[in-house]
Order: sequence, then structure tokens, then C-alpha cells
Amino acid sequence: EDQVTQSPEALRLQEGESSSLNCSYTVSGLRGLFWYRQDPGKGPEFLFTLYSAGEEKEKERLKATLTKKESFLHITAPKPEDSATYLCAAPDPGANSKLTFGKGITLSVRP
Amino acid sequence: EAQVTQNPRYLITVTGKKLTVTCSQNMNHEYMSWYRQDPGLGLRQIYYSMNVEVTDKGDVPEGYKVSRKEKRNFPLILESPSPNQTSLYFCASSFLSGNTEAFFGQGTRLTVV
Repeated sequence: EDQVTQSPEALRLQEGESSSLNCSYTVSGLRGLFWYRQDPGKGPEFLFTLYSAGEEKEKERLKATLTKKESFLHITAPKPEDSATYLCAAPDPGANSKLTFGKGITLSVRP
Repeated sequence: EAQVTQNPRYLITVTGKKLTVTCSQNMNHEYMSWYRQDPGLGLRQIYYSMNVEVTDKGDVPEGYKVSRKEKRNFPLILESPSPNQTSLYFCASSFLSGNTEAFFGQGTRLTVV
């Protein structure tokens, strides 16, 4: 069964302390790997899509990378406003219509 | 402003009393879907729709119904809600299919007592 697994479940960082969030997937024939940010009580907000191994995308302090088996969301010099749950997701290659989400990584950045 | 609008935001109901959660998008997206989010289980897809009059089951469709009579609307219907349907529900839309950027609504927190 295709799966998307995120680790760690939670991460606490000091402001300015860079780190990485991991998303591993077993989806065969990957047709994109998505990263979303979710603030408490709100809907997920799109961050990045990666389509091929070696691809990288950046947005402010965030950089997403993709290999054949996993994706990383690197957070450089995080600020308290980066605190949120970060979700990765991959579409079902067969139906091309179902999106499978990981359980998310809750990031807390202390000032 | 491009958005997905869900109503209501909060709902407390009793077991067995039919309810509908509405979802509307203003981006002319073809693809719409419903998710539920539960602690420890993450986001799970309930139903999706590729276009008007085209709907299909996601991972957890039991106890739910949907319809897609217009492109912009995709209501979620609980014919006989039960306490295990207490959850946070999200509607999402995307341009073509599940492998394009999805826009999510603000969520509906449902409690069934």
C-alpha cells in the first residue's frame, strides 16, 4: 500500500536553530510531492510541489528537496511565526485523483 | 479573492439528525474533495469529484454522501450522523486533479453527541 510517512512527529527549535523535516514515501510512479503548512484551526496552505528527484524549491526560510525515496523541508534560521504543522502529501499514481497525506510534523519555534 | 468557503464553521448535533456541510469555490476548479482530520490519523479523504456529476469514494466514505450538481458547489451530507463522525472537516479544490495544488476551506468542526 502506498504510504507517506513524516518524522519526527514534533520538533521544538530555538529561534535561529536550523533543522529539517522528513517525508518518506513509498508511492510508486510518483506524480508530485506536496508540502503544506497548517496553522491551528485552519485549513492547510500550499507551500511547494516537487516532481522529480533532485528538484529544489525555496520560499523565504523554507527549502524543499526531493530524492527518489524522500523529501526534506529545510528550515533555515526559523522564527516563532514558522510554528505550525507541516504536511506532505503524494497523489495516488493510479487514479490520479486521491491525495494521501502524512500525519504531519508539528514545529514549535521558541523566541 | 480566490477561496473555498465552508459552512458552518462549527456544528454540534445529535445522533441521527441529518446534516449538510456546504462547500463552495470561486476559482472554476474542476476537482473538489472532502477530508476529515483526526488526532493521530491525519487528513483522510472522504469523497472526491473530478467534475460535475462525477464523484467517487476516497479512503473513508462510510456514513457520508456527496453531490456535484454545479461546478462551484460540493456539499457533504451526513444522513444519520454518529459520534464517530465527530471530527474536523475540510473541503478542498484544485484546478484539474489530485496532483495539482489544492486550496482548502477554513474547516468545519463537527461534534455529534
